[in-house]
Amino acid sequence: EPEVTQTPSHQVTQMGQEVILRCVPISNHLYFYWYRQILGQKVEFLVSFYNNEISEKSEIFDDQFSVERPDGSNFTLKIRSTKLEDSAMYFCASSRPQQGANTEAFFGQGTRLTVV
Amino acid sequence: AQSVTQLGSHVSVSEGALVLLRCNYSSSVPPYLFWYVQYPNQGLQLLLKYTTGATLVKGINGFEAEFKKSETSFHLTKPSAHMSDAAEYFCAVSRTGANNLFFGTGTRLTVIP
Repeated sequence: EPEVTQTPSHQVTQMGQEVILRCVPISNHLYFYWYRQILGQKVEFLVSFYNNEISEKSEIFDDQFSVERPDGSNFTLKIRSTKLEDSAMYFCASSRPQQGANTEAFFGQGTRLTVV
Repeated sequence: AQSVTQLGSHVSVSEGALVLLRCNYSSSVPPYLFWYVQYPNQGLQLLLKYTTGATLVKGINGFEAEFKKSETSFHLTKPSAHMSDAAEYFCAVSRTGANNLFFGTGTRLTVIP
């Protein structure tokens, strides 16, 4: 069964360093998303991406964050200069409209980012 | 504005007993409603969703949920709990479907043998 895959599963980085989280969405999907979950808190929407541009983003997704689809398969989240509070589980998701409606997002297993 | 409230961060039930996980939402427009499950060390898996039409929706693994507009609720139920149901369950709401989901804080379900 097709699935969203994320690498790495766990990444440790020093504060101030750049980090890139990688995702391979399901191959025929058209919409791509990043969410994060700080330990003990809600899963929060960061950004959605469609047709090679950001379609929606939350207040969390500030100038330190960027997304890219560098080729036909990968979807990346870059954090330019990590802060301690960026430590979280980051989930990638993708979806494809069916019968005219875009209603089901498929999530990856997540990348746990630890900023030290 | 949208939000989701899940009552009870932890719920314990005996194997074979009814599972009831509560979710209340607020939304300024007719919502899309979802339940996701997260097993240990795995991603979020869609259990079921309400978009339009029938208010009682059936999902995978014997779960179902009923959309009650008057109560702004979308509680998740299963008649008989199984050990394999032990997981974290998240209710989510969206204005537009799969995009920009607002999640609740989650309910950890423990099934006691």
